[in-house]
Formats: sequence, structure tokens, C-alpha cells
Amino acid sequence: QVQLVQSGAEVKKPGASVKVSCKASGYSFTDNSLTWVRQAPGQGLEWMGWINTYNGMTDYAQNLQGRVTLTTDTSTNTAYMELRSLVSDDTAVYFCAREAHSGYDYLPSWGQGTLVTVSS
Amino acid sequence: DVQMTQSPSSLSASVGDRVTITCRASLGIRNYLAWYQQKPGKVPKLLIYAASSLQSGVPSRFSGSGSGTDFTLTISSLQPEDVATYYCQKYNSAPQTFGQGTKVELK
Repeated sequence: QVQLVQSGAEVKKPGASVKVSCKASGYSFTDNSLTWVRQAPGQGLEWMGWINTYNGMTDYAQNLQGRVTLTTDTSTNTAYMELRSLVSDDTAVYFCAREAHSGYDYLPSWGQGTLVTVSS
Repeated sequence: DVQMTQSPSSLSASVGDRVTITCRASLGIRNYLAWYQQKPGKVPKLLIYAASSLQSGVPSRFSGSGSGTDFTLTISSLQPEDVATYYCQKYNSAPQTFGQGTKVELK
């Protein structure tokens, strides 16, 4: 079955960077795009960006442009989300989610989430 | 960018009640609308896609309707396990914006 397994919780200082991984299994990795979503404590879901795992095309939320980079390693079926210049407002649970198809689509499968805490 | 606005932001209902949540897009998105359920501390779960298609395994008391700018999620008979926050999401193009969420509680 489809599984997305994310890396473990991280604690970072303001100004640092974090890189969260999302390892996919149970399907052909390049057949479906991946989306990253974050959720600050007690808040709603925020769409961060999208990557086409076949050709590497990306789209990013405007408020994160320049600080976030989505990449994939097709040799290990793993996607990565790197966020730089962290501030306390970046404290959140970060989710990867598989799109239903290769383009923009709904999200039937989600990773378990990775808590990133930004604190001095 | 297209904004997604849900209402109400929270509601309280009794077991067996019919519950309706609305989601409005600031521009037309045809039927590229999904609904998710998120219980506290859990991963979001897809309920409805293409505005009205029920995801496999989701109870039939959940239904969706709408097209263009106005959408509705209905729970025909609220159950205790339906206590959660519900989010709509547009997915026709980037950014694939979520609504702000509707928290459903038991009265």
C-alpha cells in the first residue's frame, strides 16, 4: 500500500535551516506529484508547495518564495523540503502528501508529519 | 490568488443532526474541490474529491456538492467519531489553497 514516511522531529535555532525528508513506497514514485503542507500549533493547514516528481517542476507559496526548496531523489524515492532562515513562526508540523495523479490534484495519502520547532 | 472561505468557523451539533459546512472560492474553480477531516493530533484524511465524489472507505453519511464558487460538505447524521476539523481545498492550480477550517463539536 502507499506509504509516505517522514523524518523525525527537529529543533532549530532562529536563522538556521531544516531539511525534512519524505520516503515513498508502494507505488511508482514518478507517477504522482507531491505537495507539502504545514500546520502551526492550533492553526489550520497551509499549502507550502508542489513538486512534479517526474520532471522536477515546482510551485511555491508566495509567502515562502526564496526560503523553501523542494527536491526529490528518484534513486531512493525520497522527497525533501528545505526551509531556510527559520523564524519562530515556522514552528509547525510539516506534512508531505501524494497527489492523486501527476499534475495538481487532491491528496489521498499523507505522511505522518514532522514537527519542526524553532526556538533560541 | 484564489481565496477559500469556509463557514462557519465552528459549530456544535447533537448526535444524529444534519450538519452543513460551506466553502466559497473567490473565483470559479469548476469542481476542483476536496474536503478533508482532521482529528486532533492526526493526519488529515481525504473525504471528498471533485466536489462530490466520495473517497473509498468514507462513510456514506458524508456528501459534497457544488461547482464554480460555492461548495457544501454535508454530514447527514452526525456521529461522535465525526468530531473533527474539516477543511476544503482547491486543487485546479497553484497555490492549492485550503480554507481556514470548520471545527465540529458535539452539543
